[in-house]
Amino acid sequence: DAGVIQSPRHEVTEMGQEVTLRCKPISGHNSLFWYRQTMMRGLELLIYFNNNVPIDDSGMPEDRFSAKMPNASFSTLKIQPSEPRDSAVYFCASSRTGEGSQPQHFGDGTRLSIL
Amino acid sequence: TQLLEQSPQFLSIQEGENLTVYCNSSSVFSSLQWYRQEPGEGPVLLVTVVTGGEVKKLKRLTFQFGDARKDSSLHITAAQPGDTGLYLCAGPNYGGSQGNLIFGKGTKLSVKP
Repeated sequence: DAGVIQSPRHEVTEMGQEVTLRCKPISGHNSLFWYRQTMMRGLELLIYFNNNVPIDDSGMPEDRFSAKMPNASFSTLKIQPSEPRDSAVYFCASSRTGEGSQPQHFGDGTRLSIL
Repeated sequence: TQLLEQSPQFLSIQEGENLTVYCNSSSVFSSLQWYRQEPGEGPVLLVTVVTGGEVKKLKRLTFQFGDARKDSSLHITAAQPGDTGLYLCAGPNYGGSQGNLIFGKGTKLSVKP
């Protein structure tokens, strides 16, 4: 079975540019999570969806970040405008249900560098 | 606020040595999960512990959940270079909206041949 698929794997762009990260969750999983990972702060939850509906976006750093899930098989995380401090690895994960005890399946991440 | 503290932050050992890493909290968790993350990849679930005092074994890895369900440990016997990676513990977040996990910052393990 295909796992969580993220694209692109790497993105290098100049500050001020719009960045769009994409995620395809595992088929049949109802919950989708976006994380950001840095050495300093570890793995931080940005936002998560249950049945395509955003449940908690309190981790989104500021208005420059937005996320959408138009259907059960696709989600995007957008940063506009991007800043150097946004440089990090961004992970998407999915789980079968929205219960916190459910294991999460992660993609391989997008390594984002903002120059 | 629920927090998971992991220690040590970094660990570098020789092949064949034993090691233990810890995951501690002042909060009670209904369950804890352990993940391993290899360079360039996302975290992968190793095990979930649910019952206080529970011990689970996965080949050379032994996971224990504290009796009070506030802490957990991972013991690796005869470590191998393939065990190298970032070990993360995570638990359900009941402080805010439910449905997500709280992650510790991890223990970065390096096993040298």
